[in-house]
Amino acid sequence: SQKIEQNSEALNIQEGKTATLTCNYTNYSPAYLQWYRQDPGRGPVFLLLIRENEKEKRKERLKVTFDTTLKQSLFHITASQPADSATYLCALYMDMGRRALTFGSGTRLQVQP
Amino acid sequence: NAGVTQTPKFRILKIGQSMTLQCTQDMNHNYMYWYRQDPGMGLKLIYYSVGAGITDKGEVPNGYNVSRSTTEDFPLRLELAAPSQTSVYFCASSPTRGEQETQYFGPGTRLLVL
Repeated sequence: SQKIEQNSEALNIQEGKTATLTCNYTNYSPAYLQWYRQDPGRGPVFLLLIRENEKEKRKERLKVTFDTTLKQSLFHITASQPADSATYLCALYMDMGRRALTFGSGTRLQVQP
Repeated sequence: NAGVTQTPKFRILKIGQSMTLQCTQDMNHNYMYWYRQDPGMGLKLIYYSVGAGITDKGEVPNGYNVSRSTTEDFPLRLELAAPSQTSVYFCASSPTRGEQETQYFGPGTRLLVL
């Protein structure tokens, strides 16, 4: 079956370091992949979308890579700050029949000052 | 623009009761969605709508109903609430549909069924 996998263990890093989160998917070849941020008690907020022919995409301190051979996306936050602490979700348009996004369960990032 | 708004923010229901979760968006988006999120889990799609008068089932529709009489509103109805429906419910909308769609989420409704 099609599924998205994100590391369920929280990632703890020191302020100023680069955080790297992983999103793996199986049995599908999406043309686009998205990343969202979710703070406790709030709805997800869209961050970045990357296309299959864009190996890398940047937005300020954020960088996303998309390796369609490995079926993997990496999400990097450089010069991390405590304010970056949140859960980060990846999402793919996996179900062509339903025509809707499928979300991973997310990885919680904790940036220590 | 207020974006996507949801009411109530929190509700406790007894088993067998029913309620309607309200969702409104002021961005003139055609596409709207209802998700539930259980602790530590991803978002699961309950129902979605591609426009006024058109709705369709998502991944976990059992126990829920929706309607879409206007572009702005997409209420979710729970009939005969069960403890398994304890969750956080998010409404979302998007301006387009397809692989490039990005979704705008409401703040969520936390529901506890006892």
